[in-house]
Amino acid sequence: EVQLVESGGGLVQPGGSLRLSCAASGFTFSTYSMNWVRQAPGKGLEWLSYISSTSNTKYYADSVKGRLTISRDNAKNSLYLQMISLRAEDTAVYYCARIGTTRQFDYWGQGTLVTVSS
Amino acid sequence: SYVLTQPPSVSVAPGQTARITCGGNNIGSKSVHWYQQKPGQAPVLVVYDDSDRPSGIPERFSGSNSGNTATLTISRVEAGDEADYYCQVWDSSSDHYVFGTGTKVTVL
Repeated sequence: EVQLVESGGGLVQPGGSLRLSCAASGFTFSTYSMNWVRQAPGKGLEWLSYISSTSNTKYYADSVKGRLTISRDNAKNSLYLQMISLRAEDTAVYYCARIGTTRQFDYWGQGTLVTVSS
Repeated sequence: SYVLTQPPSVSVAPGQTARITCGGNNIGSKSVHWYQQKPGQAPVLVVYDDSDRPSGIPERFSGSNSGNTATLTISRVEAGDEADYYCQVWDSSSDHYVFGTGTKVTVL
């Protein structure tokens, strides 16, 4: 069974940093591209970042470029999102999601809540 | 950047058919994927590649895509179908994934 479990969320002050993790199991992690998606309270889904299976290719949404860094450790079956210079508008549930063969998000984690507030 | 527009809400009686549209420039040339999200839960893929269903998704969920509009159709709507629905594409011109604005389906 495919499982994605996010962790690392919490309360952080504006301007602070946070590193999110996503632990993957139930599939061969090293052969799949992965993504981060977030959802602000009461809002829609917002794609944030993509990383290929080998980490050779990374994409970022314009709204977060320069403040977010995606990475992965295939030996640990883990995906990461480093976030810096956090703002109140970054408050959201952050999901990791696996990318399927035709660029669909075929499996999602349950999400981790990040709250940016003083 | 590529924009996908959905109606904010759709209301439907039980047993009837709900149709959710997703508008985008020449979206018919792209593969469209649809997600269902219930309150407090992660999204679930219900239709991919315009009209295919992942295993475990009822046949009541179907999709189509042509021109500037993709459509998710839910036949014989049940109370359990009440949720938010999002369309999604890959925009190769910007190397970005794009989600639609989302549609809340209410079962009357």
